[in-house]
Amino acid sequence: GAGVSQSPSNKVTEKGKDVELRCDPISGHTALYWYRQSLGQGLEFLIYFQGNSAPDKSGLPSDRFSAERTGGSVSTLTIQRTQQEDSAVYLCASSLDSAYGYTFGSGTRLTVV
Amino acid sequence: AQSVTQPDIHITVSEGASLELRCNYSYGATPYLFWYVQSPGQGLQLLLKYFSGDTLVQGIKGFEAEFKRSQSSFNLRKPSVHWSDAAEYFCAVGTWSDMRFGAGTRLTVKP
Repeated sequence: GAGVSQSPSNKVTEKGKDVELRCDPISGHTALYWYRQSLGQGLEFLIYFQGNSAPDKSGLPSDRFSAERTGGSVSTLTIQRTQQEDSAVYLCASSLDSAYGYTFGSGTRLTVV
Repeated sequence: AQSVTQPDIHITVSEGASLELRCNYSYGATPYLFWYVQSPGQGLQLLLKYFSGDTLVQGIKGFEAEFKRSQSSFNLRKPSVHWSDAAEYFCAVGTWSDMRFGAGTRLTVKP
């Protein structure tokens, strides 16, 4: 597609439920990133996929967070047993080469009640 | 350790005034440097980037930034701010697999 697409745009979930956030990157972009942006905060790196290499999961805050990328394209970020502190905007970005910068999606606003 | 610092959390300028947003970084080598803008309810948009060559780079919307190696800085400037520039601005520093973002500077534009 023309841009990075994320769905849903908004998600309200009850504490303890699992959620799945989807990212559809720009076609041909081999790198895909997930970031989290909490209210008034900068962007917190979560996970990075590059081609068929093992992902860099160093930013995932706990083992409740996981992500996969199927076929080098669509990625799903899963949060299990959600907590209120998980409430944030989850941003996905893709890149052909970091020298060109990232293209970000509009994000998924997750609210845990 | 790698880090990006945007010292100003919030800046207010009058429309038509000049603007400078500060960004300082700590990195092992000269990294790629970026500025992004995030308008309310929107995703992040790339304003400009530096990875080599001329240290003064031009971006979209009339923005420019200057890389100063000796100061480890990459400050964003605009000679005359427009009301539509009100947004959150993020400096980003890093390489292919290690991109760090600053906490952001919120710009308010007074009429």
